[in-house]
Amino acid sequence: EADIYQTPRYLVIGTGKKITLECSQTMGHDKMYWYQQDPGMELHLIHYSYGVNSTEKGDLSSESTVSRIRTEHFPLTLESARPSHTSQYLCASSEWEGRGGHNEQFFGPGTRLTVL
Amino acid sequence: GENVEQHPSTLSVQEGDSAVIKCTYSDSASNYFPWYKQELGKRPQLIIDIRSNVGEKKDQRIAVTLNKTAKHFSLHITETQPEDSAVYFCAASIGSGYSTLTFGKGTMLLVSP
Repeated sequence: EADIYQTPRYLVIGTGKKITLECSQTMGHDKMYWYQQDPGMELHLIHYSYGVNSTEKGDLSSESTVSRIRTEHFPLTLESARPSHTSQYLCASSEWEGRGGHNEQFFGPGTRLTVL
Repeated sequence: GENVEQHPSTLSVQEGDSAVIKCTYSDSASNYFPWYKQELGKRPQLIIDIRSNVGEKKDQRIAVTLNKTAKHFSLHITETQPEDSAVYFCAASIGSGYSTLTFGKGTMLLVSP
């Protein structure tokens, strides 16, 4: 079944650790996104990608980095985690509108990160 | 860039009442306006969307209206049910291949039985 997968779902780590949040999609979508969201709060776009080898920074300044080596994979890395990074991270994907596709974004289940 | 304002931030209604959530946007080039519903602990999901060539769209108990002149759009939920309780986000986009969605801050809707 076409879907977006995120691992891990929950992560508790200590300050200073390097972490990578995984996101994979089997939707066949070109565009992928990372959002940061505190519970019940607004969605902040932190990174996005138009396709392979494309990465862009979003509206919210973030100390994380992303890569897009494969169409279906869009991992997010924090080189040195801090308590201020504690949040939920949502991955999403959408079709490329230029191919007549829709703008609808499909979201993954999220990774809840706690940095102690 | 685009700026989307959403009101109210919280809305409490009795079951069976109607609920209205309003959004305004700043970029007159925006032409795609989706609404997402996020239930507690779950991912946001699209519930309805509208494009600028349409003034109103309806899907069962939910409807969206768009006023391009005033740059605002609204979500209307009729005959609310407890399962409508969730956070609702509006968004706007210019709909090109290089565009992204700009989301409002969300409205927490609570429907009491």
